Amino acid sequence: DTAVSQTPKYLVTQMGNDKSIKCEQNLGHDTMYWYKQDSKKFLKIMFSYNNKELIINETVPNRFSPKSPDKAHLNLHINSLELGDSAVYFCASSQLKVSGGLNEQFFGPGTRLTVL
Amino acid sequence: QKEVEQNSGPLSVPEGAIASLNCTYSDRGSQSFFWYRQYSGKSPELIMSIYSNGDKEDGRFTAQLNKASQYVSLLIRDSQPSDSATYLCAVVFSGGSYIPTFGRGTSLIVHP
Repeated sequence: DTAVSQTPKYLVTQMGNDKSIKCEQNLGHDTMYWYKQDSKKFLKIMFSYNNKELIINETVPNRFSPKSPDKAHLNLHINSLELGDSAVYFCASSQLKVSGGLNEQFFGPGTRLTVL
Repeated sequence: QKEVEQNSGPLSVPEGAIASLNCTYSDRGSQSFFWYRQYSGKSPELIMSIYSNGDKEDGRFTAQLNKASQYVSLLIRDSQPSDSATYLCAVVFSGGSYIPTFGRGTSLIVHP
């Protein structure tokens, strides 16, 4: 069974369109994340959700909006796509440690978004 | 600003040698540290997690944490060509957000 899954794996679209990427985890984790990895391979946090609440939002344009219908899902919706949005988007999940701190993250396979 | 620094490389080592990857971080209060391996076109996968000072060994991999000096390293013994990948260091800073910050990664090339 896939622990963290994302759909679609590839997404090619025109500038100005609206698109969504879906993420699901079957690990029972309480925290999910979205990362953007640019062409230089830098993995940058976009959003984190803990128990269905947004706990931090980095300096991401408000064209990006996370949606979490339940603890196992964290979807990413992008409005008015721009050329600079082209990147690989990774979903991840993790579990907070009872003693404080964080257990390791498990990553989905990634969604390669290309905006033309 | 809290940062995680890695040498981008590439680090090139011969097969069978020890590869040493280093990572420094800016927040002395950090509690959780991770090394991930990422092959080209794939997602990051966990190699090692470490939470307290000292060494932690798992097979050919050893993570070393020194909180006083604010560095964490990864040693790969008996390096194999299949170890060629980008290695990402991730640190959870203090402050309660529980969001790992990643370094830019070190590219490792193990040549036969």
